[in-house]
Amino acid sequence: GAVVSQHPSRVICKSGTSVKIECRSLDFQATTMFWYRQFPKQSLMLMATSNEGSKATYEQGVEKDKFLINHASLTLSTLTVTSAHPEDSSFYICSAPTSGGTYNEQFFGPGTRLTVL
Amino acid sequence: SQQGEEDPQALSIQEGENATMNCSYKTSINNLQWYRQNSGRGLVHLILIRSNEREKHSGRLRVTLDTSKKSSSLLITASRAADTASYFCATDDGQGAQKLVFGQGTRLTINP
Repeated sequence: GAVVSQHPSRVICKSGTSVKIECRSLDFQATTMFWYRQFPKQSLMLMATSNEGSKATYEQGVEKDKFLINHASLTLSTLTVTSAHPEDSSFYICSAPTSGGTYNEQFFGPGTRLTVL
Repeated sequence: SQQGEEDPQALSIQEGENATMNCSYKTSINNLQWYRQNSGRGLVHLILIRSNEREKHSGRLRVTLDTSKKSSSLLITASRAADTASYFCATDDGQGAQKLVFGQGTRLTINP
């Protein structure tokens, strides 16, 4: 199947700093990518849809100024957590669909665990 | 927001037994998918069932879909210790958007 990578896999930062997470589709192009957040023992919550060449679409309750998304190319989307605080500590996962239409199989990255001290 | 409710939230069985997990959703859908997540890892796609399908098999996995009840079940037969993971159902929004809405998940533990 298609491969999606994320970098870094784990990051620890001080409160107030910004952290950038990269999501790459390695063997296919993705005009759309999705960013999810997952708290311990909970499900994935969709944060935003990253669109190549246009602004990201954020889900209700997600602060767009805090979670900056840039879809720089057909294989790369970045999520920047600005001025991170301990409550932003979470597991961040990206995904990318490989085809359009009603067939919606998506491939997920391995996730990035963010710990804000 | 979460579309799906899954039950049970946690399931612990002996190796070799069958495991059944259920998922319910609220809106109309085009398809429903099941994913597996090992602790602290990304998601692995298991199976997709379209809204016009009632049952689908893949190896030891059997998925059913009842659109009238807005529910699905995942059956894992002859479970193995390696099946220990969290299992999530995910649906589209029924309106063509590619984003997925996940259920709460079932934490499955297979005891050797």
